Amino acid sequence: DADVTQTPRNRITKTGKRIMLECSQTKGHDRMYWYRQDPGLGLRLIYYSFDVKDINKGEISDGYSVSRQAQAKFSLSLESAIPNQTALYFCATSATKNTGEWEQYFGPGTRLTVT
Amino acid sequence: AQSVTQPDIHITVSEGASLELRCNYSYGATPYLFWYVQSPGQGLQLLLKYFSGDTLVQGIKGFEAEFKRSQSSFNLRKPSVHWSDAAEYFCAVGSGGGADGLTFGKGTHLIIQP
Repeated sequence: DADVTQTPRNRITKTGKRIMLECSQTKGHDRMYWYRQDPGLGLRLIYYSFDVKDINKGEISDGYSVSRQAQAKFSLSLESAIPNQTALYFCATSATKNTGEWEQYFGPGTRLTVT
Repeated sequence: AQSVTQPDIHITVSEGASLELRCNYSYGATPYLFWYVQSPGQGLQLLLKYFSGDTLVQGIKGFEAEFKRSQSSFNLRKPSVHWSDAAEYFCAVGSGGGADGLTFGKGTHLIIQP
């Protein structure tokens, strides 16, 4: 089984609808992240969380909200979807090593289309 | 603010030829640098990373990268590419070692000619 899973993998929704993307991990990592990928723009950080009580905005948080329901679960919500939120969304996790190094592990992605 | 520039949007290389993908970064402190690869329709896979120490780092799939502080660069190299290397490559810099998230470049699309 994959260490970082995302549901759904594909979703088509209409403008104005509320939608939630879910991420679960079995790696036991404290930190979780949401990124979006747009063609030609690379990945950009939306939100990240250090633990269930700590949520931080990333570069492009407007129009999004998140919920860290448990250490292993981190959800991304679009309260009122708009077409320019059509993108590929990635969840990632990370944990420190004894050396202080961090490494991020990415889920398979959710392709969201807003019509 | 930190940033990453990948100057080449597309690169075409013949199979068996050598490869170098360029990456320049802007970061105020000691950078933590990463290269990821994304195959078509797939997620991201970490190729290699630099945190400290030896400036030449080895990664998976025969890739290596060299950190040059004086040039603010972290170029990715491979001596002989295979058709399976065709993919999108992303360079990234991490704040707090990557703990606070990564800033990615826009990517370089690698095409392999037979």
